[in-house]
Amino acid sequence: GQNIDQPTEMTATEGAIVQINCTYQTSGFNGLFWYQQHAGEAPTFLSYNVLDGLEEKGRFSSFLSRSKGYSYLLLKELQMKDSASYLCAVKNEGNTGKLIFGQGTTLQVKP
Amino acid sequence: ETGVTQSPTHLIKTRGQQVTLRCSSQSGHNTVSWYQQALGQGPQFIFQYYREEENGRGNFPPRFSGLQFPNYSSELNVNALELDDSALYLCASSLVGRGLTEAFFGQGTRLTVV
Repeated sequence: GQNIDQPTEMTATEGAIVQINCTYQTSGFNGLFWYQQHAGEAPTFLSYNVLDGLEEKGRFSSFLSRSKGYSYLLLKELQMKDSASYLCAVKNEGNTGKLIFGQGTTLQVKP
Repeated sequence: ETGVTQSPTHLIKTRGQQVTLRCSSQSGHNTVSWYQQALGQGPQFIFQYYREEENGRGNFPPRFSGLQFPNYSSELNVNALELDDSALYLCASSLVGRGLTEAFFGQGTRLTVV
């Protein structure tokens, strides 16, 4: 079966750093995506990892370890607008747009 | 703005009715995927269309069907609506076969079945 696990909720303070973990067990692996979704809105793309290691993009970084089936999203210098749901998704089939999503992590940033 | 548009944005239907949701994909993209997102959950893959043919399906019954048109826009049809079909329906377009690219999501259609 396909299984992607994320914590349901996290809370952090404005200006701090937060790490959101994602573990996956899928029949195949062709890349891992992180999306941000504000309440009532569409998911927006944050990052993509297909090889092991860290990808950095401004205040956001994402890490992948394929051997451990593990990824994390790191958010630095948290802002109030970062309060949202963060979705981890795996593409398990090569020539397709199909994504398998975790249930999402709701991050609340407090002043 | 992702360039992916969905209509309508909100819809209320009665149990047993049929509904059609529409999606215009981003220019240059050749693949459309549909997802169902229940409240508090991640999106669940319904099916994908590539070159006007279904190319992959998730664990959804046959009363969920779709179409893709030559201009790569797409429809999702749901027959015999059930209360549990109430959800946010998301359309995502991507470019498959030209390297791995992310999927761009539309704003979704919020369907309520009463």
